[in-house]
Amino acid sequence: DAGVTQSPTHLIKTRGQQVTLRCSPKSGHDTVSWYQQALGQGPQFIFQYYEEEERQRGNFPDRFSGHQFPNYSSELNVNALLLGDSALYLCASSLGIGTDSNQPQHFGDGTRLSIL
Amino acid sequence: AQSVTQLDSHVSVSEGTPVLLRCNYSSSYSPSLFWYVQHPNKGLQLLLKYTSAATLVKGINGFEAEFKKSETSFHLTKPSAHMSDAAEYFCVVNTYRNDMRFGAGTRLTVKP
Repeated sequence: DAGVTQSPTHLIKTRGQQVTLRCSPKSGHDTVSWYQQALGQGPQFIFQYYEEEERQRGNFPDRFSGHQFPNYSSELNVNALLLGDSALYLCASSLGIGTDSNQPQHFGDGTRLSIL
Repeated sequence: AQSVTQLDSHVSVSEGTPVLLRCNYSSSYSPSLFWYVQHPNKGLQLLLKYTSAATLVKGINGFEAEFKKSETSFHLTKPSAHMSDAAEYFCVVNTYRNDMRFGAGTRLTVKP
């Protein structure tokens, strides 16, 4: 049973560039959430996708955007990269949204993004 | 709004001694609470979850947590620490929108 997989594992970019990170959810899951974890901090919620639409969004600028495909996989895009975007980006998957807040999310190992 | 506060940024114990990682929560309704562990350069692994079925929750690797509504706490414990327990631990509350709010984390060091 494949868990949540993310690619690439590491990425180095320069300021102003654009980046795309990818995530495949755990088998049987249909909801994908993205988190940013800066060094020494807890993960911060970016947004959540369900049925190919952004359903919830945290306090992140429009430079952060995403997409979900019919097979439930997802992409996170960040435009006009800043030094402060350097972080570990985590993808999490779950089944359904909203009413069932009891179920935990399953996390991938993340993509380490470094901005020079 | 739902949030959690982890009271210790760093906890150090000796191998074989008990572990206590403290977490207080804030929620306007009955919360769903979780503990996750993160080993270096790894993603997050679920240790246990509280979903109102029982106040004492048992998780993996010998960890357990007790939900205390009167104290708004959800502390994580383990009777005997193992070297492999050294990691970062996060207390998490799940909002009604199913987006998770993480604490700042507690780094657990286990000395031989």
